[in-house]
Amino acid sequence: QVQLQESGPGLVKPSQTLSLTCTVSGGSVNSGSYYWSWIRHPAGKGLEWIGRIYTRGNSNYNPSLKSRVTISLDTSKNQISLKLTSVTAADTAVYYCARTPGSQYYDYMDVWGEGTTVTVSS
Amino acid sequence: DIQMTQSPSSLSASVGDRVTITCRASQSINSYLNWYQQKPGKAPQLLIYAASSLQNGVPSRFSGSGSGTDFTLTISSLQREDFATYYCQQSYSTLWTFGLGTKVEIK
Repeated sequence: QVQLQESGPGLVKPSQTLSLTCTVSGGSVNSGSYYWSWIRHPAGKGLEWIGRIYTRGNSNYNPSLKSRVTISLDTSKNQISLKLTSVTAADTAVYYCARTPGSQYYDYMDVWGEGTTVTVSS
Repeated sequence: DIQMTQSPSSLSASVGDRVTITCRASQSINSYLNWYQQKPGKAPQLLIYAASSLQNGVPSRFSGSGSGTDFTLTISSLQREDFATYYCQQSYSTLWTFGLGTKVEIK
């Protein structure tokens, strides 16, 4: 049973870089059968898809964040990382990582981490 | 961007009620529509994918229908553990988008 666990600083200062990792257990981030996404959920608002990364290393990002976001894989640690630069209070949210089966005709996120809360404040 | 509009934004229902939530896409998304359930403090959980396919382990009282722009999530007989917020999500375009959610509360 694959499990995902997000981790990182709970508090980030404005203008700094938010860095989170998602550790995968019970499976490999390098499996060609899956790809990986980050999603965030600001309090009182809807879910926002941030971006995805495939095992070949190619990635797609939400255009609203594209200039500030980088998602990467660390296969040696079995982790997916998220970096978001120049953060503001608007980036305060619960951040989730999720898995998508890559072998299916339709795409969906079938396994999610429990999420980690990030607050941007001085 | 493909906009996803859910209705209602909230509803009150009793245990045993039949509940229907709708989701409308701003353009045709064929059947690239997923439904998730989220409880307070928890991660979203996949209920339905490809508009009408039930995810493994999800009770059969949940069902999905629709294609193109209009979709429906139905709970045939609401149970206490179903009180939660439900989100639709399209995976038709490269940029995935969610609806704003429907909160199902106890009447």
